[in-house]
Amino acid sequence: GENVEQHPSTLSVQEGDSAVIKCTYSDSASNYFPWYKQELGKGPQLIIDIRSNVGEKKDQRIAVTLNKTAKHFSLHITETQPEDSAVYFCAASNYGQNFVFGPGTRLSVLP
Amino acid sequence: DAGVTQSPTHLIKTRGQHVTLRCSPISGHKSVSWYQQVLGQGPQFIFQYYEKEERGRGNFPDRFSARQFPNYSSELNVNALLLGDSALYLCASSFGTGGAEAFFGQGTRLTVV
Repeated sequence: GENVEQHPSTLSVQEGDSAVIKCTYSDSASNYFPWYKQELGKGPQLIIDIRSNVGEKKDQRIAVTLNKTAKHFSLHITETQPEDSAVYFCAASNYGQNFVFGPGTRLSVLP
Repeated sequence: DAGVTQSPTHLIKTRGQHVTLRCSPISGHKSVSWYQQVLGQGPQFIFQYYEKEERGRGNFPDRFSARQFPNYSSELNVNALLLGDSALYLCASSFGTGGAEAFFGQGTRLTVV
């Protein structure tokens, strides 16, 4: 079955700096890769996603890149703000299948 | 627009008891999935239902069961609770099955004592 690894497990950045979180997946059949942000006491919130026919997608300060050959995908947050502090999860799925999540990255944005 | 709603938000149960968790998906969404999130870990897939039929089951014991109703709401049932069942149980709603955007509720925090 699918296995998703995520690095780093914790990340601290200064406000205004960029943050990058990387994930790898094992199943070459996976073709949908969402990213979720989870704040304390809340459910995961979908922030961006990418499908296997696209190499990069951007939404304001957030971007995701996908390298299908290497089975890597990454989340990039630019101009970080304190409200970006949360736990971020990557996930992978194949159409018709469930999501497999990575273990999460705790991002702290220091003012 | 109402998002995914789950009830109750918190629950304390004793070992050996039974629990029922409820989920109402976003209006128009026909698929509901259940995930278990243990503290400090990513969500783990339990069940997926689409159009009232089970479409997927994760690696959980038979003590876990679920169903989806004609209005697409869903219940997750757990029998013979163990201490290790303590977790945040998340419901995700999507229009279709895998590959469709999935939106999570706030979860039900289950504590088994």
